[in-house]
Formats: sequence, C-alpha cells, structure tokens
Amino acid sequence: DSGVTQTPKHLITATGQRVTLRCSPRSGDLSVYWYQQSLDQGLQFLIQYYNGEERAKGNILERFSAQQFPDLHSELNLSSLELGDSALYFCASSVGVSEVDGELFFGEGSRLTVL
Amino acid sequence: EDKVVQSPLSLVVHEGDTVTLNCSYEVTNFRSLLWYKQEKKAPTFLFMLTSSGIEKKSGRLSSILDKKELFSILNITATQTGDSAVYLCAVTPYNFNKFYFGSGTKLNVKP
Repeated sequence: DSGVTQTPKHLITATGQRVTLRCSPRSGDLSVYWYQQSLDQGLQFLIQYYNGEERAKGNILERFSAQQFPDLHSELNLSSLELGDSALYFCASSVGVSEVDGELFFGEGSRLTVL
Repeated sequence: EDKVVQSPLSLVVHEGDTVTLNCSYEVTNFRSLLWYKQEKKAPTFLFMLTSSGIEKKSGRLSSILDKKELFSILNITATQTGDSAVYLCAVTPYNFNKFYFGSGTKLNVKP
C-alpha cells in the first residue's frame, strides 16, 4: 500500500458526460501528479500540483481540469467525455522538494470506461 | 523535446534467464532516473539513480546510470515468473515538476 488513495476505482459512463476523480496523497506529501494510461500505453503526464498551486502541465486536454485543495487532496475533472478518454488514471504523490524525496508513489488508479 | 525511450518493447524469457532492459533519455536539467515495476495496477518503485556509474542493487535486480551517454540499464538475474510485469523508466528534472515516463518494457517470464 503506497498510501495514495484514489476513488472511484472503476467508473463507467457515457459519451458527453462529466466525471470527477479524487486523490488523497500520502501523509506529508505536497506534490500531486495526474497521469493517464491508455491500453498498452505508457504513462502520459497530465498535470502537477504543489501545495495547492499548479506547477506543470503536460498533454492535458482543455476538457480536463484539476485542482488541489487546502487539505492537499486533488480532483481531476473530465468533461464532454469521448470514447478515447477511456483509460486508467493514476494519481501519484511525492514530497517533491529534494533529491531524497524525489520518488513518486502511485495510487491504484481509477479505471474510466466511456461507452 | 524531453523524452524517454525504452527497449525492447517486450521480452519473453524462461525462468533462470538473465535480462537487461534499456532506457535512454533526453531531458533538460536532468536530476534523476527512476525504475518502476507495474504488474496489474499501480507502478511500484524499484530504484532511483542520480549519480553516474554507481550501481544500485536489490536482490536479483540491479541498475546503473550513465549520465554521459544518457542511458540506464536494469538487470534481472535468475528471473522468476513473479518478475513478469511492465518495467517503466522515468526521468525527472531538478525541480521535480515532471516525471517523464517511457512506454515500458513488457517482460514475460515463462516457467
């Protein structure tokens, strides 16, 4: 158990809908990262937050948005869903301030299926 | 453009074999390279390497980084069926604001 909690574990929805994925980082971790992993694909970086502020953006679609709250949990919002958005969405956390603490800890992922 | 390339994409071996997985990278302000093992779900951490030429070992797994040639290798000796997984390589710059992952090497160890 990495200490990173993601909900829901599975989600099935229809095209055009909107969903919210939630992540609670490890206790003490200030950085949260979101990744998308499509079938047989690598991990695609979406966005990173550090202590409530957006720090870096990857190939995140405009239909997707995220935020990190004062209690450090994060939410990834996916709207106007398309079939191609079906994927496993991972949240990862790290302390993110030093070499020693540079490791990423992953949650179990939220599997989104868009029908 | 920052990128991480892993090879081979997939590999099938038999128990007891030794395998070498490769990871080459290009990233601005490189800080560290990390190896992860992904079985069914969440990737789990194996190694983090920051210094060139220093081998990290954990049991039958070992890894080394060459910062001059911009690559790393992950060795697994005396493979077991439990080693079957996707092995991911990631690199991060100094400010840890991104972890760039390669597409992974899928290892299948047959009995």
